[in-house]
Amino acid sequence: DAKTTQPTSMDCAEGRAANLPCNHSTISGNEYVYWYRQIHSQGPQYIIHGLKNNETNEMASLIITEDRKSSTLILPHATLRDTAVYYCIVANEKLTFGTGTRLTIIP
Amino acid sequence: SAVISQKPSRDICQRGTSLTIQCQVDSQVTMMFWYRQQPGQSLTLIATANQGSEATYESGFVIDKFPISRPNLTFSTLTVSNMSPEDSSIYLCSVWDRGQSGYTFGSGTRLTVV
Repeated sequence: DAKTTQPTSMDCAEGRAANLPCNHSTISGNEYVYWYRQIHSQGPQYIIHGLKNNETNEMASLIITEDRKSSTLILPHATLRDTAVYYCIVANEKLTFGTGTRLTIIP
Repeated sequence: SAVISQKPSRDICQRGTSLTIQCQVDSQVTMMFWYRQQPGQSLTLIATANQGSEATYESGFVIDKFPISRPNLTFSTLTVSNMSPEDSSIYLCSVWDRGQSGYTFGSGTRLTVV
């Protein structure tokens, strides 16, 4: 599986949009981009995934660049409950987790 | 989406003993995965549990230490054998969830070895 690069940590003000970047320059044509988050001591929670088109669901939006070498997860209106570690993963079968971004929502 | 039940949720075990962790899914799934999360670390894939065949282990993990069973399409077990304090981790199972086209995770088993 291709590797990803994410910032170690980020802060975002409550109510603002949180934009989490991810680089995956070695992604293969059949690999999807997945985003998960892990709130302290819980199992990872699925957020969204995409192949090459931008995706949106009730939790977030996923913007994938045209060359698919990077993507951005957008939480449109961050709340304190969005404080978590966010993992960007590229995979087509099994998930390989990197170190993720620790997102802290500031009141 | 699929609902996963993992048991036990936590346990404290003596070194040298073994613990078997159960993962039950409320629907039939083809692929089940076992992960380990050591304190303060990210998740590491241990193995893929295949129904009707032996599990496929990742580099650094061996069947003697982490035997896995997959008797049917809704259930799997992971055994942590001959435990040492270094095995203290959260162990999680995951399945490919066709309903959400993604992977769903159980809530994990927090293991402490003393």
